[in-house]
Amino acid sequence: DAGITQSPRHKVTETGTPVTLRCHQTENHRYMYWYRQDPGHGLRLIHYSYGVKDTDKGEVSDGYSVSRSKTEDFLLTLESATSSQTSVYFCAISGGPLGEQYFGPGTRLTVT
Amino acid sequence: AQTVTQSQPEMSVQEAETVTLSCTYDTSESDYYLFWYKQPPSRQMILVIRQEAYKQQNATENRFSVNFQKAAKSFSLKISDSQLGDAAMYFCAYRSPGTASKLTFGTGTRLQVTL
Repeated sequence: DAGITQSPRHKVTETGTPVTLRCHQTENHRYMYWYRQDPGHGLRLIHYSYGVKDTDKGEVSDGYSVSRSKTEDFLLTLESATSSQTSVYFCAISGGPLGEQYFGPGTRLTVT
Repeated sequence: AQTVTQSQPEMSVQEAETVTLSCTYDTSESDYYLFWYKQPPSRQMILVIRQEAYKQQNATENRFSVNFQKAAKSFSLKISDSQLGDAAMYFCAYRSPGTASKLTFGTGTRLQVTL
């Protein structure tokens, strides 16, 4: 158990509304990540953070922004949700000797 | 950019038998790291096994082992004595050194375990 929680666990929202997903870790890890999981695509990196206020884009960052004001919290924001952002979102931290990642339980987001 | 390919969308194995899941990757780097993750119906991503490219010895974790063929860029996962609880999606992942530990995932293989 890497001490990672995500909230909410499920959310249904309407197209055009803003949505913020929260990831919280309890073990003071420097690196944190947001992925989305879609059928046929595996997990794809949206954004990641390498410290407080230090973030960078992943391969599918369009339409998403992130913030990290405290080591333990990493927020993912959809400024104006679209149906193409319906997905399962995972937060992860990097904590192992080979840089392996440990994941939160995921958030299922549905945009109607 | 590195790519990871899992060419078997679905596999099936009988309980107590052995199954091998395939993973190939494309890279020009000599040092890197490879992982297998399991995702059961609960949706939780669970690290199964890890391998460093510089180590020739294949990693083993209980009933799970890998066949790492560096020249062929192949990293297959073998599950021995399959159990019903092994039914899940399995993802292969690649990590370059010094890249903020970012992972590149394959598209996954769904493993069914039958009685």
